[in-house]
Amino acid sequence: SQTIHQWPATLVQPVGSPLSLECTVEGTSNPNLYWYRQAAGRGLQLLFYSVGIGQISSEVPQNLSASRPQDRQFILSSKKLLLSDSGFYLCASQRGPPNEKLFFGSGTQLSVL
Amino acid sequence: KNEVEQSPQNLTAQEGEFITINCSYSVGISALHWLQQHPGGGIVSLFMLSSGKKKHGRLIATINIQEKHSSLHITASHPRDSAVYICAVEVGRKLTFGTGTRLTIIP
Repeated sequence: SQTIHQWPATLVQPVGSPLSLECTVEGTSNPNLYWYRQAAGRGLQLLFYSVGIGQISSEVPQNLSASRPQDRQFILSSKKLLLSDSGFYLCASQRGPPNEKLFFGSGTQLSVL
Repeated sequence: KNEVEQSPQNLTAQEGEFITINCSYSVGISALHWLQQHPGGGIVSLFMLSSGKKKHGRLIATINIQEKHSSLHITASHPRDSAVYICAVEVGRKLTFGTGTRLTIIP
């Protein structure tokens, strides 16, 4: 079974400030990794996914970027936060190939003020 | 139109009732996931289905690939089952999520 470590749990940042959210995975190797965002009252939206080190696919044009510097590390970043970046961010892991069970981190509640 | 539609959006039931949550999708998929999100935001994977039926405790999930439909059933519902239940379909490596069903079980 995989364990997903995601931090911080909550974050309040001013508009225009940078962002770095980190996600690390235990219990598997070479997983598919995902960043999702859940805006208040809405469903989960896929932001980025990665099938390996340095391989990032972006699903939605936006103010955010992602990096995978190590096999089990996935980082979500922004150079300048916007108000619209507020939301609940979730990291997820899925052992490749597809059709495997998903494991989620505990999430980060980001408020941009 | 969302590729994944869930119904109902909200469901309130008395403890002990049999619960059914439905999920319909419009694309060919490789798998379907049922997830449970608790008030704190944490998400737990309940089932991953590609065909047929799976059972875990009081939870049962079924999928009909031809009809592009899946159901999640909860037998003998309990207040601790109160949560948002999310259906997600998998196409290749991409997951598309429904907006969830908020279930409230009243003691």
